[in-house]
Amino acid sequence: DPKIIQKPKYLVAVTGSEKILICEQYLGHNAMYWYRQSAKKPLEFMFSYSYQKLMDNQTASSRFQPQSSKKNHLDLQITALKPDDSATYFCASSQDRGGQNTLYFGAGTRLSVL
Amino acid sequence: AQSVDQPDAHVTLYEGASLELRCSYSYSAAPYLFWYVQYPGQSLQFLLKYITGDAVVKGTKGFEAEFRKSNSSFNLKKSPAHWSDSAKYFCALETGSNYQLIWGSGTKLIIKP
Repeated sequence: DPKIIQKPKYLVAVTGSEKILICEQYLGHNAMYWYRQSAKKPLEFMFSYSYQKLMDNQTASSRFQPQSSKKNHLDLQITALKPDDSATYFCASSQDRGGQNTLYFGAGTRLSVL
Repeated sequence: AQSVDQPDAHVTLYEGASLELRCSYSYSAAPYLFWYVQYPGQSLQFLLKYITGDAVVKGTKGFEAEFRKSNSSFNLKKSPAHWSDSAKYFCALETGSNYQLIWGSGTKLIIKP
């Protein structure tokens, strides 16, 4: 059974719309992250949370807003979608933030913005 | 600035050969180094990591990597390669300054039967 659940697996959106990507982890981890993988760039760190607190934000645009309602949930709201937002978004978690901790990734949500 | 370079975008080998995927990093202090693998259509999976200690670290699926401080490299190795090793491999660096991983652009490995 997958320990990090991302929903939906595929998402098609129109330019200007808003979507929420869901992530839940059942590993008992304290830190959660969002990464983006697009065709032309290396895996890109977006956000990190530790104990439901935002720790790092490397996303230049405020259109991307993480939301943590529970310790094991970290959703990603994206507003005013643009075609350049098309990518696979991976949620990840680790026991604690950084250092020697190993990242565990979800299966990803593939977003296509038309 | 910290960075990770995987100079080979693609590597093709025949099954049974020895594989070595290159990774170099730029960081002035002691790095934490990781290798992850992404099989087609799947997410990233942890292979191994170097934190400190022995320069050769062993990971899952029969892989190992050697940390060489002298030339700032952390190459991934396996012998013999199997067709099931075909995947994209990512090297990553964590500097400890903000706990973010810096990723290489990946090497796509194709193992021919």
